[in-house]
Amino acid sequence: NAGVTQTPKFRVLKTGQSMTLLCAQDMNHEYMYWYRQDPGMGLRLIHYSVGEGTTAKGEVPDGYNVSRLKKQNFLLGLESAAPSQTSVYFCASSYGVASRGTDTQYFGPGTRLTVL
Amino acid sequence: EDKVVQSPLSLVVHEGDTVTLNCSYEVTNFRSLLWYKQEKKAPTFLFMLTSSGIEKKSGRLSSILDKKELSSILNITATQTGDSAIYLCAVLKDMRFGAGTRLTVKP
Repeated sequence: NAGVTQTPKFRVLKTGQSMTLLCAQDMNHEYMYWYRQDPGMGLRLIHYSVGEGTTAKGEVPDGYNVSRLKKQNFLLGLESAAPSQTSVYFCASSYGVASRGTDTQYFGPGTRLTVL
Repeated sequence: EDKVVQSPLSLVVHEGDTVTLNCSYEVTNFRSLLWYKQEKKAPTFLFMLTSSGIEKKSGRLSSILDKKELSSILNITATQTGDSAIYLCAVLKDMRFGAGTRLTVKP
């Protein structure tokens, strides 16, 4: 049981390049989330998914797209990277809807992305 | 606009000290408040608080929610160097996080 895994762990991009971050969980969780963490800003929700084939916007969705084609995977895409997207990206998953106060989230180890 | 504010932003103590971390919130449709500990990588869950006035305890850590004051505190007694971390609180409606408190415990 690996929990929540993220690939890659580190990446450096040039402005305008695209990339996809992969999150995988083996806990059969329904809900998955993508956050970014910047110094002094805490964690901010980018997008989330309440089940296979569904996605929704979070607090800071602009510049990102997501897909949940399989229950165990949640992809975060940057179509045209910008320096403002330099951050540490965390994926999380939970059994059910965390916003109902019935569950907690399990976090992946993070991806450190630098956009030059 | 919804917001979650943690204080202090950073704190340095010595082993054996007791610390109190604060989290205040202004969130519509509040449901629960969560505390996480973040060391080098991913945050790990500590507590979920839903009801006001009921203390949750785990070893030397304890936390309580005050819905009237729209706040929560996290207490750590007899601190150890292993408690050094960033402590995050998050408020459930849409998992809005505070900026965190960086705790450093010196030997």
